[in-house]
Amino acid sequence: AQSVAQPEDQVNVAEGNPLTVKCTYSVSGNPYLFWYVQYPNRGLQFLLKYITGDNLVKGSYGFEAEFNKSQTSFHLKKPSALVSDSALYFCAVRDSPYNQGGKLIFGQGTELSVKP
Amino acid sequence: EPEVTQTPSHQVTQMGQEVILRCVPISNHLYFYWYRQILGQKVEFLVSFYNNEISEKSEIFDDRFSVERPDGSNFTLKIRSTKLEDSAMYFCASKERVSTDTQYFGPGTRLTVL
Repeated sequence: AQSVAQPEDQVNVAEGNPLTVKCTYSVSGNPYLFWYVQYPNRGLQFLLKYITGDNLVKGSYGFEAEFNKSQTSFHLKKPSALVSDSALYFCAVRDSPYNQGGKLIFGQGTELSVKP
Repeated sequence: EPEVTQTPSHQVTQMGQEVILRCVPISNHLYFYWYRQILGQKVEFLVSFYNNEISEKSEIFDDRFSVERPDGSNFTLKIRSTKLEDSAMYFCASKERVSTDTQYFGPGTRLTVL
């Protein structure tokens, strides 16, 4: 079965420093991977996805993610963190590509806190 | 930019009552989903809907739950005989077609069962 894991419940970063939010996956077949962000009392906002192609994926708000097949990882990164990046980040994998419905399976989330 | 909308933002109900959560997906999208998030926990899949029928449902989606697309714009989740453990944030999502794969989420409805 497809799954993702986010090993850190919380990540603390100083504003201006680079940030990394970790995600590892376990899939059968090729992975379809996603990052979403959830601000307080808001829905999930799509940040970026990896389907195929370049291992470095660029997304919204200056975020990027690196797909690493050998390490089965899809870590979210940003070169310079902003206080406004503080939110809950979810990694997700699409269920089997043979299932047209394509439900998403989410990690448990990582709370990112960026301090001034 | 088109968005998924959900109403109400917060619903409070008594245990045993029926609730209907409403969603308006993005207009040209064909795939529709409901997920839920119990406070402090991960987002969980409930059901997917395509071509006017359920394409997949999870174990959570028992016979108290039902979904409907009553017209060309709304997508509803009905929960009958609500239980305390149904209290959660419910998210609607939609996707344009199979190949795009990106699901866009609404802001959620917080359901509180007392």
